[in-house]
Amino acid sequence: DGGITQSPKYLFRKEGQNVTLSCEQNLNHDAMYWYRQDPGQGLRLIYYSQIVNDFQKGDIAEGYSVSREKKESFPLTVTSAQKNPTAFYLCASTRGQINEKLFFGSGTQLSVL
Amino acid sequence: QKEVEQNSGPLSVPEGAIASLNCTYSDRVSQSFFWYRQYSGKSPELIMSIYSNGDKEDGRFTAQLNKASQYVSLLIRDSQPSDSATYLCAVNLPSGSARQLTFGSGTQLTVLP
Repeated sequence: DGGITQSPKYLFRKEGQNVTLSCEQNLNHDAMYWYRQDPGQGLRLIYYSQIVNDFQKGDIAEGYSVSREKKESFPLTVTSAQKNPTAFYLCASTRGQINEKLFFGSGTQLSVL
Repeated sequence: QKEVEQNSGPLSVPEGAIASLNCTYSDRVSQSFFWYRQYSGKSPELIMSIYSNGDKEDGRFTAQLNKASQYVSLLIRDSQPSDSATYLCAVNLPSGSARQLTFGSGTQLTVLP
């Protein structure tokens, strides 16, 4: 079955540590997105990529980095510069058409030790 | 003013009643509007999309769009306890040179048995 796989489901970060969240899709979608969700809040866009080897900052990119070396993969690194990383992280994808719905992964809950 | 604003919750309705969820948005030329349902700790799932003024019905759900008033709503008829979740409104808004899906902060709905 086609879909989006995020891993791990839960992740813990120590002070000063970089951590990477994985996102893989087999939907043959061109566009991929990373969102952050804080408790009781909506989704905020971190980064998005519309084609391989290209990506753009969203509304809250500071302290995060991404890469898009393959169409299927869009990993997100939470760097030590992100001082408040505790949140629920969601990866999503679409074919890239403007009015399309988003397909979501199951999410990664990141917490600080 | 937030770009996508939802009526403040939490909202409680008795089982069998109609739940009404409201959303306003800032951009007059937005053309695509979505309602997502999110259970606690899970990723959002699309329940309705609407692109034209008027009503769109799907089972117990009705989405209503009024572009002149920049207003979109979701009605849930015959509410069930399983409808208890957070409902997110999402609107396609300008972001730099592109348009991106922008989410409201969500309305938490509780359906009381």
